[in-house]
Amino acid sequence: KAGVTQTPRYLIKTRGQQVTLSCSPISGHRSVSWYQQTPGQGLQFLFEYFSETQRNKGNFPGRFSGRQFSNSRSEMNVSTLELGDSALYLCASSFGQGMDEQFFGPGTRLTVL
Amino acid sequence: DAKTTQPTSMDCAEGRAANLPCNHSTISGNEYVYWYRQIHSQGPQYIIHGLKNNETNEMASLIITEDRKSSTLILPHATLRDTAVYYCIVRLPSGGYNKLIFGAGTRLAVHP
Repeated sequence: KAGVTQTPRYLIKTRGQQVTLSCSPISGHRSVSWYQQTPGQGLQFLFEYFSETQRNKGNFPGRFSGRQFSNSRSEMNVSTLELGDSALYLCASSFGQGMDEQFFGPGTRLTVL
Repeated sequence: DAKTTQPTSMDCAEGRAANLPCNHSTISGNEYVYWYRQIHSQGPQYIIHGLKNNETNEMASLIITEDRKSSTLILPHATLRDTAVYYCIVRLPSGGYNKLIFGAGTRLAVHP
């Protein structure tokens, strides 16, 4: 079974631009969560989607948004990029919610210049 | 979710058991203890989880104290590929959400 895939793997943007990252969960998984990892703040939860609905949201500004499609694929968008948005963005999928083990993708490394 | 405390770093010789402690003194009765690890430049990987009984799988063993205020992840025969950051996470199983709150974790270095 294929794992969680994220595209692109690397991205360079400039301040003020916007970016869209994509995540394809493991086949059959309906929950997708997004995390941001930086050297200073570590791994931080962004949001979670289940059956196309945002179920939980972390403490990030409104510039960070996401959505989930009917096939469970998810995208996250960051508008008006800031230097501090440079990070590894990780996506995790699980079959359901609650106790399910989460499987993480390799991440998208975003650099904002 | 309860807060966890882990040592910043640990060393282990290859082939020996690696015992990674985690303190979660404010854990509530229905919160589970989860362990994930992150090998450099990869996404975190689930290892094991438990409520009150000791658990074992093909990767590791989880020992939870009787008062549930602390736990130990045991890698029975550490290899160089076990070098990673290990995260201990306490979370509720219900509520219909998959949010994981990661702390700083323990950086385990396995050396020859």
